[in-house]
Amino acid sequence: GNSVTQMEGPVTLSEEAFLTINCTYTATGYPSLFWYVQYPGEGLQLLLKATKADDKGSNKGFEATYRKETTSFHLEKGSVQVSDSAVYFCALSDQAGTALIFGKGTTLSVSS
Amino acid sequence: DGGITQSPKYLFRKEGQNVTLSCEQNLNHDAMYWYRQDPGQGLRLIYYSQIVNDFQKGDIAEGYSVSREKKESFPLTVTSAQKNPTAFYLCASSIEGTSHFTDTQYFGPGTRLTVL
Repeated sequence: GNSVTQMEGPVTLSEEAFLTINCTYTATGYPSLFWYVQYPGEGLQLLLKATKADDKGSNKGFEATYRKETTSFHLEKGSVQVSDSAVYFCALSDQAGTALIFGKGTTLSVSS
Repeated sequence: DGGITQSPKYLFRKEGQNVTLSCEQNLNHDAMYWYRQDPGQGLRLIYYSQIVNDFQKGDIAEGYSVSREKKESFPLTVTSAQKNPTAFYLCASSIEGTSHFTDTQYFGPGTRLTVL
């Protein structure tokens, strides 16, 4: 079946450090891929998405590229801020649009 | 401002009681969803609705019930049959019902339910 695997956290960084959060998936066909962010005590917000191979999603300095050959959608940011501290979820929607499957989430903590 | 509201933010329930969580959206979205979030886990789908007066079970529907009498409202009832109801519950919506899981989902702030 379809699944999403994220690197386990927590990830602890200093301000202005480079961030990578790994995400790999298993799915048939061409799923859509998403990164959602959850700030403390809140619901999830869409951070970025990509709907076909080699697409790059970007928002607020975050980027992720849909790599079909490695079945990956790693999240990156060149310089993190304290305000980026949150839980990040990778998710996929299968090609038929019948389910949205989330990874377990990765907690990011950024200190000044 | 358009968005999704959930109430209450915190809810306490005694064992054996049913409790209803509210979810309202003013985004004019067709599809609505309920998820459960447990610590260290991803979100798991409880129920979803593509259109008024219609809904489908998700992966963990046992012990829960829903209704969709109005487009903007999708309340979730946690019944006494749910064995482990303590969790964070998130409601979401998306624009269309036909390709609902490929659309961006917009989430409410969540309700934290604790069973005493």
